[in-house]
Amino acid sequence: NAGVTQTPKFQVLKTGQSMTLQCAQDMNHEYMSWYRQDPGMGLRLIHYSVGAGITDQGEVPNGYNVSRSTTEDFPLRLLSAAPSQTSVYFCASSFDRNSPLHFGNGTRLTVT
Amino acid sequence: QQQVKQSPQSLIVQKGGIPIINCAYENTAFDYFPWYQQFPGKGPALLIAIRPDVSEKKEGRFTISFNKSAKQFSLHIMDSQPGDSATYFCAAAPPSARQLTFGSGTQLTVLP
Repeated sequence: NAGVTQTPKFQVLKTGQSMTLQCAQDMNHEYMSWYRQDPGMGLRLIHYSVGAGITDQGEVPNGYNVSRSTTEDFPLRLLSAAPSQTSVYFCASSFDRNSPLHFGNGTRLTVT
Repeated sequence: QQQVKQSPQSLIVQKGGIPIINCAYENTAFDYFPWYQQFPGKGPALLIAIRPDVSEKKEGRFTISFNKSAKQFSLHIMDSQPGDSATYFCAAAPPSARQLTFGSGTQLTVLP
């Protein structure tokens, strides 16, 4: 049972490039979400999903896309990277609304 | 607009001291208040959580105090240890969903 696995751990992009951050969980959790963590701002919700085929926007969705084709995977796509997207990105999952969120170990993204 | 305000930003205590971290929220619909602990290079992990029907919850050396009328809650760490040195985040969620709103975090250092 690996929990929530995020890849890659580190990534450097140039402005305008696109990429996908991967997130997978093996706990059969219905709820998955993406947060970004910036100094002094805590974690802010980007997108979330309550089940396969269902996604919705969080607090800071602009510049990011998500899809949920399977229960296990919830990739986050940066369409055209900007320096403002330099951050640490965390994926999290939970079984249901009464269960705690399990976080991955994050992807540190730098956009130059 | 920051819906969950956390203070202090950083805190240094001696081993055995009782650090206290405070959070205040604005949304009266919030009904779930967890605290997360994060070590460098790792994702946040649930430490303890409380719902507004109780005023205090204790798990080991960690205690949450909750004041519904003041819309405030706090984390107390009894007999703090150097291993407790980490960043602590408070959070809140409404009853309708699992989307957490996080505070800005407190970096705790416990000196040996």
